[in-house]
Amino acid sequence: DADVTQTPRNRITKTGKRIMLECSQTKGHDRMYWYRQDPGLGLRLIYYSFDVKDINKGEISDGYSVSRQAQAKFSLSLESAIPNQTALYFCATSDPGGRETQYFGPGTRLLVL
Amino acid sequence: AQKITQTQPGMFVQEKEAVTLDCTYDTSDPSYGLFWYKQPSSGEMIFLIYQGSYDQQNATEGRYSLNFQKARKSANLVISASQLGDSAMYFCAMREGLWSGTASKLTFGTGTRLQVTL
Repeated sequence: DADVTQTPRNRITKTGKRIMLECSQTKGHDRMYWYRQDPGLGLRLIYYSFDVKDINKGEISDGYSVSRQAQAKFSLSLESAIPNQTALYFCATSDPGGRETQYFGPGTRLLVL
Repeated sequence: AQKITQTQPGMFVQEKEAVTLDCTYDTSDPSYGLFWYKQPSSGEMIFLIYQGSYDQQNATEGRYSLNFQKARKSANLVISASQLGDSAMYFCAMREGLWSGTASKLTFGTGTRLQVTL
């Protein structure tokens, strides 16, 4: 089984709808992240969480919110989706200390019409 | 200024040949880590190799090695004996403040698409 899972894997929604992307991990890592990937722009950080009580904004947090329900679960919400939020969304996890390699989930492809 | 620059949007290499993917970075922090990830057409991000700024030797992981030139601020990925399955996007990323305990963010480059041909 995958260490980092994301649901759904694909989602089509309409402008103005609220949607939630979910991430679960079995790696036992404290730190979790949400990124979006747009063609030609690499990955950009939306939000990150160092533990259940610690949530931080990344470079592109406007229009997004997150919830860290448990050490293993970190969800991303789009309160009112807009077409330019169409992207590939990744969840990642890492353990604090040392190199802190981030391990990514399989991604969620989101299309906002 | 871009923190991570990958100047090669696309590269071609013949099977069994070696290829170098370029990455330059910009930081004033003395402690940082450099990562390479592979993204095949299926979309997942796969960690390949890591180089710390204080590491004395260039990192190697199987067919992957890192040509780390600290003074030039470059961390090029070398793939030896290319295989068809190496065809993918490759991203260079950096984490600054390696030992700060607070700054875990990765900054990514825009990637290089590698195509391995017969």
